[in-house]
Amino acid sequence: AQTVTQSQPEMSVQEAETVTLSCTYDTSESNYYLFWYKQPPSRQMILVIRQEAYKQQNATENRFSVNFQKAAKSFSLKISDSQLGDTAMYFCAFQTSGTYKYIFGTGTRLKVLA
Amino acid sequence: DADVTQTPRNRITKTGKRIMLECSQTKGHDRMYWYRQDPGLGLRLIYYSFDVKDINKGEISDGYSVSRQAQAKFSLSLESAIPNQTALYFCATSVDPFMNEQFFGPGTRLTVL
Repeated sequence: AQTVTQSQPEMSVQEAETVTLSCTYDTSESNYYLFWYKQPPSRQMILVIRQEAYKQQNATENRFSVNFQKAAKSFSLKISDSQLGDTAMYFCAFQTSGTYKYIFGTGTRLKVLA
Repeated sequence: DADVTQTPRNRITKTGKRIMLECSQTKGHDRMYWYRQDPGLGLRLIYYSFDVKDINKGEISDGYSVSRQAQAKFSLSLESAIPNQTALYFCATSVDPFMNEQFFGPGTRLTVL
């Protein structure tokens, strides 16, 4: 069975600094997709970034980028120039190609300090 | 206006009561999902529906039922609520299951006393 592990329950970072959130997963599949979702205090789940496993190039969305290491089954999220609005719970998620199912990690609560 | 809406946003109920959580979407998506979020456990899938006639159990469906009244509406029912169903419930939609973003509603915080 696929699993997603986020080993950092809580993290904090100073405003304008860079922070990296870790995510590892376990699967025997070769074709799959990975996502990072953000859940601010408003509770709304918002897609931050996605990565197709067959792509070697790491995805980037403005200040957000990933370090995708397929062999190590690692998918970390880097937030550059952290802003107060980045304070949120961040969930890593995995989806096997051709299936409906998302598997979510347990989340990392990030607090950006002024 | 929000594309995926959930009602109510917050609800407190008592053990044994029947409760319905409603989800509506204006995105025109066929696929709809109900998740439950518990602290330290992430989101877990309760039920999913690929169209009005196609409803399937997720990993934690016991104690829950659903109804897909229309393409745009997907309701989750707790027939007899119990305290360990206290959680944050999310409805989500997607265009199709392949590498596509799921769009989430704002969540319903349910407390069962």
